[in-house]
Amino acid sequence: DAMVIQNPRYQVTQFGKPVTLSCSQTLNHNVMYWYQQKSSQAPKLLFHYYDKDFNNEADTPDNFQSRRPNTSFCFLDIRSPGLGDAAMYLCATSRESFRGGEETQYFGPGTRLLVL
Amino acid sequence: GNSVTQMEGPVTLSEEAFLTINCTYTATGYPSLFWYVQYPGEGLQLLLKATKADDKGSNKGFEATYRKETTSFHLEKGSVQVSDSAVYFCALITGANSKLTFGKGITLSVRP
Repeated sequence: DAMVIQNPRYQVTQFGKPVTLSCSQTLNHNVMYWYQQKSSQAPKLLFHYYDKDFNNEADTPDNFQSRRPNTSFCFLDIRSPGLGDAAMYLCATSRESFRGGEETQYFGPGTRLLVL
Repeated sequence: GNSVTQMEGPVTLSEEAFLTINCTYTATGYPSLFWYVQYPGEGLQLLLKATKADDKGSNKGFEATYRKETTSFHLEKGSVQVSDSAVYFCALITGANSKLTFGKGITLSVRP
């Protein structure tokens, strides 16, 4: 039944050691998003894919990269995690409407990243 | 630009109390409005939505009405349960892009 799946649910990495978080979806949605959520804050959009087109937010650090090899999967790569990158990372998907970007976003359960 | 303002929290209620969480917005164009709920340690779940003025979204006993004249989308529930304890986010999307604009979120705690 799970529609947006994130693995792992908890990830521990070392300062400076590259880490990859994964997201998959069974909804066949063409838009996928990555958000960062720190404690007691709203999610912050890092980037999104519209099909294969990558859209980076202006204030997303270069340390964060993403890959989308096919419709179902999307990866978040953190090249050199710092202590400040410890957060919940949320993946979301939506189906782009022909009217414009008003379709509902569906979120996965998130991956909580801990940086030691 | 777009913005969403939620009432300050946290909110603590006794079980079976009436709940109102205020949400107002500023947006260009005609936004779609959403309430998301986040249980401890979990991702966001869509609670309800409304896509045009005067629409009422409802789910699990929660309701919210899209009020264009007051630019509001207040969340209500007649009788809260302990299991409703969570963080609630009001959000909007406009046709200009695909980006959700979130409010700051409010923590609801329901006492038995």
